[in-house]
Amino acid sequence: EVQLVESGGGLVQPGGSLRLSCSASGFTFSSYTMHWVRQAPGKGLEYVSTINNNGDSTYYADSVKGRFTISRDNSKNTLHLQMTSLRAEDTAVHYCVKDRRYGDSSWEFDQWGQGTLVTVSS
Amino acid sequence: SSELAQDPAVSVALGQTVRITCQGDSLRTYYASWYQQKPGQAPVLVIYAKNKRPSGIPDRFSGSGSGNTASLTITGAQAEDEADFYCNSRDSSGAVLFGGGTKLAVL
Repeated sequence: EVQLVESGGGLVQPGGSLRLSCSASGFTFSSYTMHWVRQAPGKGLEYVSTINNNGDSTYYADSVKGRFTISRDNSKNTLHLQMTSLRAEDTAVHYCVKDRRYGDSSWEFDQWGQGTLVTVSS
Repeated sequence: SSELAQDPAVSVALGQTVRITCQGDSLRTYYASWYQQKPGQAPVLVIYAKNKRPSGIPDRFSGSGSGNTASLTITGAQAEDEADFYCNSRDSSGAVLFGGGTKLAVL
């Protein structure tokens, strides 16, 4: 069974930093593209970032480009999202998401974690 | 920038058929995926590549598309289908798009 468990969320002041982690199990982590998708309270889904299976290609939404960095450690089956220069509009549940396709990216979000809440407020 | 437009809310009588639509220019080129999200839960992929169902998704869920419109159809809606539904695709610049979501009420 695929399991994705996010951690690292919490309350941070505007301009601050936070590092999210996602521990993956139940599948061959190193063979799948991984994504972060977020959802502000009471709002819809918003794409954040993607990293391919071996970590040498990354993609970001314009809203986070230059502030967030996605990375992965395939030896530890872990995905990370380093978030800096945080703004109030970054307040959201951040989901770790597995791509549907083995190997390359399908850009279809197959399995989702339960999410971790990031709150940016003074 | 490209967008995907969904009706904010749709209702269906128990056991009847409902179609939820998603419109956007990117859908002329890229397939849509659909996600169901129940309150307090993470989204679940219900349709990918326009009309394919992941294992475990009931066959009352189906997808279709033509031109700039993708559709998710639930044939014989059940009470447990009440949820928010989101479409998703990409645009020509590579940006990943989500629709604004449709709240489905099963009456």
